[in-house]
Amino acid sequence: GQNIDQPTEMTATEGAIVQINCTYQTSGFNGLFWYQQHAGEAPTFLSYNVLDGLEEKGRFSSFLSRSKGYSYLLLKELQMKDSASYLCAVIDSNYQLIWGAGTKLIIKP
Amino acid sequence: DVKVTQSSRYLVKRTGEKVFLECVQDMDHENMFWYRQDPGLGLRLIYFSYDVKMKEKGDIPEGYSVSREKKERFSLILESASTNQTSMYLCASRGTGDTETQYFGPGTRLLVL
Repeated sequence: GQNIDQPTEMTATEGAIVQINCTYQTSGFNGLFWYQQHAGEAPTFLSYNVLDGLEEKGRFSSFLSRSKGYSYLLLKELQMKDSASYLCAVIDSNYQLIWGAGTKLIIKP
Repeated sequence: DVKVTQSSRYLVKRTGEKVFLECVQDMDHENMFWYRQDPGLGLRLIYFSYDVKMKEKGDIPEGYSVSREKKERFSLILESASTNQTSMYLCASRGTGDTETQYFGPGTRLLVL
């Protein structure tokens, strides 16, 4: 079966750095998305990786290793507004989007 | 700017009622999706549509049907609502590219009593 694993919840301190991991076992791979979802709101796009390596976008970076079936989202200089759930999703060989359950990130002052 | 709207943010229905959830996008996207989101389970695909009048079952279509009469509008129908359909329902749309981003509506939180 297809599976995406993320930690259920993480806690970090304002101003710090946090890394949210995502591992996947899917039938094929055509890219990986990270989305941010604030409580009660819709998911919004953060990043898309299809090649190995690190993609940096401001305070957020996303890394992919296809051989390891692994990605992480790195958030730097954490702000209180970064408190949200972070969803990892993989496009499989049929171009279907497989979603992880999401990681709830709690930021403490 | 991309916009996906859903007809209601909150909805309370009784068991056995017929429920219509509507989604409209203004991006001229071919692909539209209906998901439900439950704690600990992530997003689960109910149905999707890749063109007007076309529909495909997702992972959990039982108890649901859909309608796509116009390109911009994708409706989710619960023929006879049940308490286990209490959930957050999210609509999304996407352009033609299979690896393009999906854009989500604000969601409808449905409570079935």
